[in-house]
Amino acid sequence: GNSVTQMEGPVTLSEEAFLTINCTYTATGYPSLFWYVQYPGEGLQLLLKATKADDKGSNKGFEATYRKETTSFHLEKGSVQVSDSAVYFCALSDLVSGSRLTFGEGTQLTVNP
Amino acid sequence: NAGVTQTPKFQVLKTGQSMTLQCAQDMNHEYMSWYRQDPGMGLRLIHYSVGAGITDQGEVPNGYNVSRSTTEDFPLRLLSAAPSQTSVYFCASSYSTGLTDTQYFGPGTRLTVL
Repeated sequence: GNSVTQMEGPVTLSEEAFLTINCTYTATGYPSLFWYVQYPGEGLQLLLKATKADDKGSNKGFEATYRKETTSFHLEKGSVQVSDSAVYFCALSDLVSGSRLTFGEGTQLTVNP
Repeated sequence: NAGVTQTPKFQVLKTGQSMTLQCAQDMNHEYMSWYRQDPGMGLRLIHYSVGAGITDQGEVPNGYNVSRSTTEDFPLRLLSAAPSQTSVYFCASSYSTGLTDTQYFGPGTRLTVL
């Protein structure tokens, strides 16, 4: 079956530091890949997505590239802000699961001023 | 648009009690689903629905029932609450069942079972 593995957290950074959150996946076929973000006290919202190999998703300064050869979809941001403090979830769907997402464990990010 | 709404925000139950978590969306989305979020485990799918009158089980369906009598509403019923059902519950919806569709999540219901 499908699975998603994220780097262990929590991650604590200073403002303006570089962020990488690792995500690797196992899936049959060619999945679509997503990063969702959960701000404190809120539900999840889509941050970015990529639907085929070598696609780069980007939004709000965050980027992630769909790497089929390494089955990875690492999230990066060049300069984080305090407002980026949240929990980040990597997720996938495929032709079999359709809208049924498989999520990683989530990575808690705290950015200090 | 209100998006996806969930009630209540918080609930405390005693073991053996039953209750219904409400979920509604006003975006005319066909697909709706329920997830539970537990520490270190991400979100796990409980039940989902691809349209009114159609529901199916997800990864962790035991102890939960759902129905979809309208496009807008997708309530989740706990039949006899157990401490293992202490969790945060999220409802989500999307326009269709396409694998690239964006899922829209509600704000969640935090449930504690004593």
